[in-house]
Amino acid sequence: ETGVTQTPRHLVMGMTNKKSLKCEQHLGHNAMYWYKQSAKKPLELMFVYSLEERVENNSVPSRFSPECPNSSHLFLHLHTLQPEDSALYLCASSQGTDYNEQFFGPGTRLTVL
Amino acid sequence: GQNIDQPTEMTATEGAIVQINCTYQTSGFNGLFWYQQHAGEAPTFLSYNVLDGLEEKGRFSSFLSRSKGYSYLLLKELQMKDSASYLCAVIAGDYKLSFGAGTTVTVRA
Repeated sequence: ETGVTQTPRHLVMGMTNKKSLKCEQHLGHNAMYWYKQSAKKPLELMFVYSLEERVENNSVPSRFSPECPNSSHLFLHLHTLQPEDSALYLCASSQGTDYNEQFFGPGTRLTVL
Repeated sequence: GQNIDQPTEMTATEGAIVQINCTYQTSGFNGLFWYQQHAGEAPTFLSYNVLDGLEEKGRFSSFLSRSKGYSYLLLKELQMKDSASYLCAVIAGDYKLSFGAGTTVTVRA
């Protein structure tokens, strides 16, 4: 257990569905991240929130919409996804964004049909 | 952007030593992390190097040479539970952590 939880752990959705991924951290951190991990590819940083403000949107398509209502929770809203969006989506948190260890959640395995 | 290279796969015998190399090209280097990721699980932190030299933590050691853009993770006295993917990640600028594709280590009895 890393102190970062994600739900659901697995999600199958059609291209016309709308779903949300949830991440919660119990570590008192003030920065949270979304990453995408595809098979045999490096983790790709998607979004960074620091003190609930989005500080990075790494050229992610608008069909992915993040939300950070407070420092402990992070959501990723999904709509009209494509099959190539199927991947493991990992949430992470850290204390500050400067060179600090990031703690990862277990991820949500997403399959888009 | 960052360019981070590490081998795709390595195999070793229980009790042996394995060295996973990582080379990187980046501007604004601020440190290098190694993470371990078991299949279906979250990456977990192993080490952080920002200065040249060797950092030792029990059976795991990590080395960094900033001038050469090179790091390695050394796993000693390998155990079956060490079978996992090992991710090299570089932080440049402030918060941007860029990952290599990972090295899958298989430990055989």
